[in-house]
Amino acid sequence: AQKVTQAQTEISVVEKEDVTLDCVYETRDTTYYLFWYKQPPSGELVFLIRRNSFDEQNEISGRYSWNFQKSTSSFNFTITASQVVDSAVYFCALSEVYYQGGKLIFGQGTELSVKP
Amino acid sequence: EPEVTQTPSHQVTQMGQEVILRCVPISNHLYFYWYRQILGQKVEFLVSFYNNEISEKSEIFDDQFSVERPDGSNFTLKIRSTKLEDSAMYFCASMTDRGGPEAFFGQGTRLTVV
Repeated sequence: AQKVTQAQTEISVVEKEDVTLDCVYETRDTTYYLFWYKQPPSGELVFLIRRNSFDEQNEISGRYSWNFQKSTSSFNFTITASQVVDSAVYFCALSEVYYQGGKLIFGQGTELSVKP
Repeated sequence: EPEVTQTPSHQVTQMGQEVILRCVPISNHLYFYWYRQILGQKVEFLVSFYNNEISEKSEIFDDQFSVERPDGSNFTLKIRSTKLEDSAMYFCASMTDRGGPEAFFGQGTRLTVV
């Protein structure tokens, strides 16, 4: 069965600290996509990144970086030099390409609080 | 930039009443979805819709729920007889291709059942 686990419910850091949000997934498929979404206090879901299962290259976008390791079924997200505006709930999600409908399966979310 | 639009942004309804949540997906998208997020919890899949029919639904999507694409542009979620536990944020999403590009989410409709 497909499952996404974000073991960290809440993380609190002080501005400028680096922080890593963990995501572990389970799937029976060899082809799948992994996503990260940000949900700020306003409530919308903001797309951050999508990776497919064949691309294990780490990705960096500004202060954000992602580490995808198939061997450990993990897709972790690091924010470098965190800022107060990074405070939000972050969701990791999985989509199985060949599964009928292509739904997203979300983790429980990690609430990040960045204090000044 | 194209976006998914949901209306209303917030709806309050009395228990037992019918509600219709509306979504306008991105025009060239083929796959449409509704998700639900109870306050403080994770986002849960409700239903996917393709080629004018439901392609998958979750256990949450019981007989009280229905979806429709009445005119080729709108995509609606109807709850026939709302319960208190239906109070949640409902997100519409659309996708060009199954599992491919990211799902584009609307801003959500917060449904409050009183």
